[in-house]
Amino acid sequence: IAGITQAPTSQILAAGRRMTLRCTQDMRHNAMYWYRQDLGLGLRLIHYSNTAGTTGKGEVPDGYSVSRANTDDFPLTLASAVPSQTSVYFCASSRDGDYGYTFGSGTRLTVV
Amino acid sequence: GENVEQHPSTLSVQEGDSAVIKCTYSDSASNYFPWYKQELGKGPQLIIDIRSNVGEKKDQRIAVTLNKTAKHFSLHITETQPEDSAVYFCAASGFGNEKLTFGTGTRLTIIP
Repeated sequence: IAGITQAPTSQILAAGRRMTLRCTQDMRHNAMYWYRQDLGLGLRLIHYSNTAGTTGKGEVPDGYSVSRANTDDFPLTLASAVPSQTSVYFCASSRDGDYGYTFGSGTRLTVV
Repeated sequence: GENVEQHPSTLSVQEGDSAVIKCTYSDSASNYFPWYKQELGKGPQLIIDIRSNVGEKKDQRIAVTLNKTAKHFSLHITETQPEDSAVYFCAASGFGNEKLTFGTGTRLTIIP
């Protein structure tokens, strides 16, 4: 692993189903983030974690939850998917005091 | 919170000419302004950034300028090449653990 790995790459999900998007980094970055990218809206922050054991809400947190049990992993869970959650999801990380974010390659999620 | 506006949304430039993308921000406390390049099917990648104590920064064909009084910053790409074709995002954040707020992106197309 080099950088950030996201899985799956893409997924088609039935509405109402539960889904967890996985994110793993090997850079020992303390801070991690989840963004969603929608056409014309740019990147919007869903949830973040400044360090292992802590999480916070971003701009569009409703319908999503996260956990940060350790430094490397930051999964994003959709408890009951809805079509409006169709989007491309990006995980990112950064060092303390270093604002340069490193992004994963994204997960394209389609909720039908 | 911070609000970042980015213009234009699309830009076509003849190969070899220069391209300029502009962003404005709302929070006068913001002090970090990165630019990201996103190629098709990939995550955003940091290409250059500037902090509020600097007015201009260059890296080969890429430069960023910052006007804190007017609260705007710009990306300048000179001698454009086909590989510069991508979507570019500006972003802004404040002190400490403030999260990046992104603009809505500019799709740059270099015409051979």
